[in-house]
Amino acid sequence: AQTVTQSQPEMSVQEAETVTLSCTYDTSESDYYLFWYKQPPSRQMILVIRQEAYKQQNATENRFSVNFQKAAKSFSLKISDSQLGDAAMYFCAYRSSRGGSEKLVFGKGTKLTVNP
Amino acid sequence: GAGVSQSPSNKVTEKGKDVELRCDPISGHTALYWYRQSLGQGLEFLIYFQGNSAPDKSGLPSDRFSAERTGGSVSTLTIQRTQQEDSAVYLCASSPGTSGDTQYFGPGTRLTVL
Repeated sequence: AQTVTQSQPEMSVQEAETVTLSCTYDTSESDYYLFWYKQPPSRQMILVIRQEAYKQQNATENRFSVNFQKAAKSFSLKISDSQLGDAAMYFCAYRSSRGGSEKLVFGKGTKLTVNP
Repeated sequence: GAGVSQSPSNKVTEKGKDVELRCDPISGHTALYWYRQSLGQGLEFLIYFQGNSAPDKSGLPSDRFSAERTGGSVSTLTIQRTQQEDSAVYLCASSPGTSGDTQYFGPGTRLTVL
């Protein structure tokens, strides 16, 4: 079974600075999808960024980018120019590309605090 | 357009009672998922519906848990004879139903079992 590990339960960053959240995963599959979701106190899970494993290019969405290292099974999230609104729980998630295995497997999450 | 909605937002019940949690997916989304988020276990998959196919129930923790999806749209998660360990946030998500598509989540239902 696939597992996702987020080794940083909590992180903090100064407003306007850059922070990197770590995520590693374990799988025997060669094709899959990886996601970062943000969960603010409102509980709504919001997609931040996604990466297809077959793509070598790292995904980028505005201030958010990933460092995808397939051989190392690592998928870190970099947040640039941090804003107060970035404060939330961040979850890394894995999804198999095999049909019938559509569920997301989540890490335990990283709580990000942004200091003014 | 409207996102995934869930009701109720919060539910407090007594141990041993049955509860029903409702999920309205995004219109046109054929796939629907239920997850449970608890302090001890993190985010866990419960059940997955895709169109008219048999649901993937592999994540349901016990036979007290069941779910149905009527008309390919609204879904209800039922927990019978609730236990204190059932206290958690229950999240619903939907997606278009294509391979690797993004799942969009609702705001969740916080269930507290006294």
